[in-house]
Amino acid sequence: KNQVEQSPQSLIILEGKNCTLQCNYTVSPFSNLRWYKQDTGRGPVSLTIMTFSENTKSNGRYTATLDADTKQSSLHITASQLSDSASYICVVSAGERFGAGTRLTVKP
Amino acid sequence: DTAVSQTPKYLVTQMGNDKSIKCEQNLGHDTMYWYKQDSKKFLKIMFSYNNKELIINETVPNRFSPKSPDKAHLNLHINSLELGDSAVYFCASSQQASAFTDTQYFGPGTRLTVL
Repeated sequence: KNQVEQSPQSLIILEGKNCTLQCNYTVSPFSNLRWYKQDTGRGPVSLTIMTFSENTKSNGRYTATLDADTKQSSLHITASQLSDSASYICVVSAGERFGAGTRLTVKP
Repeated sequence: DTAVSQTPKYLVTQMGNDKSIKCEQNLGHDTMYWYKQDSKKFLKIMFSYNNKELIINETVPNRFSPKSPDKAHLNLHINSLELGDSAVYFCASSQQASAFTDTQYFGPGTRLTVL
């Protein structure tokens, strides 16, 4: 079983709506947890980096949270735009454990 | 003025051949990486170099040999290509090397297809 599990696998929302993506991990200890956005056919782009002692980190309309006790992280996207359509990947840095990603589609 | 560039973008080759993928970054970063993304979209780190020195070498077959002529370049040479090597290979760079604490910048990827 992968040590970093993301849910849902895919998500479709309407433009302007908010959404939350989940990342549960079993890796411990770790130095940081990162969220990436990957457009189809492109390399990943870093959204947030949180150390294990941080609870939240924002980057524009993206807000990541981390609960080290429950080993859960979430990425909240506010006021979604069509350009948010991409895969969102959670990475736990303890030997670089990648989640499989959540495929988000934003429809007009 | 691409920050991290890779060549070629697509590579189609026969089993058993030897091929190279090149990566260059113009960000002045000290650390470069190679990742492999398989058909299930999982990314896995393969290698990491800091100032031309190897600092991470995951369990990668020794058919894969990274070479860093200078800290702006990290090339990946693959010998005796196998069907299972088919994947997208991403190069990345970051300023710092310690525990991936710094923002990584990824290249556009090289899609390798082994026939």
